[in-house]
Amino acid sequence: QSVLTQPPSVSAAPGQKVTISCSGSSSNVGNNYVSWYQQLPGTAPKLLIYHNDKRPSGIPDRFSGSKSGTSATLGITGLQTGDEADYYCGTWDSSLSAVVFGGGTKLTVL
Amino acid sequence: EVQLVESGGGSVQPGGSLRLSCATSGFTLSWFWMHWVRQAPGRGPVWVSRINADGTTTSYADSVKGRFTISRDNAKNTVYLQVSSLRAEDTAVYYCVRGLLGGDDSWGQGTLVTVSS
Repeated sequence: QSVLTQPPSVSAAPGQKVTISCSGSSSNVGNNYVSWYQQLPGTAPKLLIYHNDKRPSGIPDRFSGSKSGTSATLGITGLQTGDEADYYCGTWDSSLSAVVFGGGTKLTVL
Repeated sequence: EVQLVESGGGSVQPGGSLRLSCATSGFTLSWFWMHWVRQAPGRGPVWVSRINADGTTTSYADSVKGRFTISRDNAKNTVYLQVSSLRAEDTAVYYCVRGLLGGDDSWGQGTLVTVSS
């Protein structure tokens, strides 16, 4: 059971938009920055979003992040088949004094 | 180019030990906190440990406290994770990560640790 809750799967058609939620508590999402990762099969997780809504250089603006209260959201527009991957949220948990991740969401581009 | 290359994984019996290494290049290691994150087959990533830039502060997940030890040698551009008293549930790919969660976040390719009798 992960500290952060994500939907197990989402799907949408190519060109469409999808959102992935990440729900936590005041000890983690509510009071700390959230990051989002993309993991393609057989590869290491790759940072997509940090500090809730910042994109590292090289990440297209099709990827966006937001946070409200104890929930964060990753948005992906203009879906491509290459976006099919597992997506994870992560943040610091002040009560656990540990980095925590969500259980992951599998994105299928139909 | 930033590179993190893990090594030292392998197959070990329960109760055994390994020393994982993370050789870094392309950046100044002494500027960064470093982390180890593991991922069991088919599961999400789980944070294991972190060490501050000069090696004076460390912290661990409860599941590994007292069994794992993180260390670093900035002169050798290398971070280590000594894993001991291994259990079946420690089986995972172990990733070395620079600046986890931040804008400089960068992951190695991982090294597989398999604990089985």
